[in-house]
Amino acid sequence: DQQVKQNSPSLSVQEGRISILNCDYTNSMFDYFLWYKKYPAEGPTFLISISSIKDKNEDGRFTVFLNKSAKHLSLHIVPSQPGDSAVYFCAASRRSAGKLQFGAGTQVVVTP
Amino acid sequence: KAGVTQTPRYLIKTRGQQVTLSCSPISGHRSVSWYQQTPGQGLQFLFEYFSETQRNKGNFPGRFSGRQFSNSRSEMNVSTLELGDSALYLCASSLEGTLRGDTQYFGPGTRLTVL
Repeated sequence: DQQVKQNSPSLSVQEGRISILNCDYTNSMFDYFLWYKKYPAEGPTFLISISSIKDKNEDGRFTVFLNKSAKHLSLHIVPSQPGDSAVYFCAASRRSAGKLQFGAGTQVVVTP
Repeated sequence: KAGVTQTPRYLIKTRGQQVTLSCSPISGHRSVSWYQQTPGQGLQFLFEYFSETQRNKGNFPGRFSGRQFSNSRSEMNVSTLELGDSALYLCASSLEGTLRGDTQYFGPGTRLTVL
């Protein structure tokens, strides 16, 4: 039962442009959402998170938007840099349940 | 501060064997979670330990087990290995676990290959 979905397996974007990654979830009880970045042969690295009481959180080049009515969140990276080329995972949790559920990931390639 | 460390990084086993993986969390972190990553299933939650107690468990068979020691280090054991257990096993630590909304920090993983 895939409760967190990333429907785009890959995304190609030019250096300097905006990268927009999307994530949908089905469980309305989720109250905490995170984005992780993963390079090959490494563990996921935490990027940014957002609580369900907010609709936007910003950290440097990374902004996460949450639309609870649509059960949708997105990650914006501006401007995109070559080092951003990686797989990005969306994750969600219900704090009372204590476990993260991950999407399948989106491979981002930033081209010069 | 040192990050999460996992040993070994790579492991090759044959079907029917058992394996033990080790995870040392970030100093001060009391929660350790384990995940399995496979190309077909993505990242799936195995279990979470907090203060030496299993606090949460995913949908995996009983062949998958774990434990946590008083210093918060954790081990994961898989018995009677099957070909389908070939995966990257990731450990993540956090201060108090996702129950408190703490961010989980991941180790580099152990790549297990079952032949």
